Amino acid sequence: DIVMTQSPDSLAVSLGERATINCKSSQSVLYSSNNKNYLAWYQQKPGQPPKLLIYWASTRESGVPDRFSGSGSGTDFTLTISSLQAEDVAVYYCQQYYSTPPFLTFGPGTKVDIK
Amino acid sequence: QVQLVQSGAEVKKPGASVKVSCMASGYTFTNYNINWVRRATGQGLEWVGWMNPNSGDTGYAQKFQGRVTLTRVTSISTAYMELNSLGSEDTAVYYCARNEPRTGTFDYWGQGALVTVSS
Repeated sequence: DIVMTQSPDSLAVSLGERATINCKSSQSVLYSSNNKNYLAWYQQKPGQPPKLLIYWASTRESGVPDRFSGSGSGTDFTLTISSLQAEDVAVYYCQQYYSTPPFLTFGPGTKVDIK
Repeated sequence: QVQLVQSGAEVKKPGASVKVSCMASGYTFTNYNINWVRRATGQGLEWVGWMNPNSGDTGYAQKFQGRVTLTRVTSISTAYMELNSLGSEDTAVYYCARNEPRTGTFDYWGQGALVTVSS
């Protein structure tokens, strides 16, 4: 199984400042035939289901504010919130969907708060 | 609009079974895989398994193999997750989520169903 790790476990950022979350997979999630990284990012606020933010490691889901961006390839990925807003307080998870047949795994999550 | 509506909260005793439903609307049920994900209090998201509503094919996380069964009734566009031999560690909110076939990600989620295991 592909194991996902995230760092840090939590972070507190001032409003308007940048927040950066790292995600690492135990093996590459880059599919060579289409050059796509099978890595997604989700946001979960208290009492709500998760919401898809980013897929293919860097493609923003429709309707997601452009302050959210994803980068990385292979085994190392980053989610960046360029200017933290109050409504961004949440837990953020990376997820790999590379394994077949679908055997999906999430990272342990990173809690983002306001400093 | 696409909606996944789950059944309500359940309280079960250790050793019992629970069956959670997920009713889909706003799209063709058999065209999209349904996945199940849980989140225990203070824990992260944990993938449970997937089901193809068209064929009935399923796949389960190793941790749940032999203890979970995913089924569906296509005539009512409803998917089910049954978890057996419940323990306190199974206390969690269980979500169903639709698999977007182009990207492989979960684009729509149910509201979640709290399952509490307590003696």
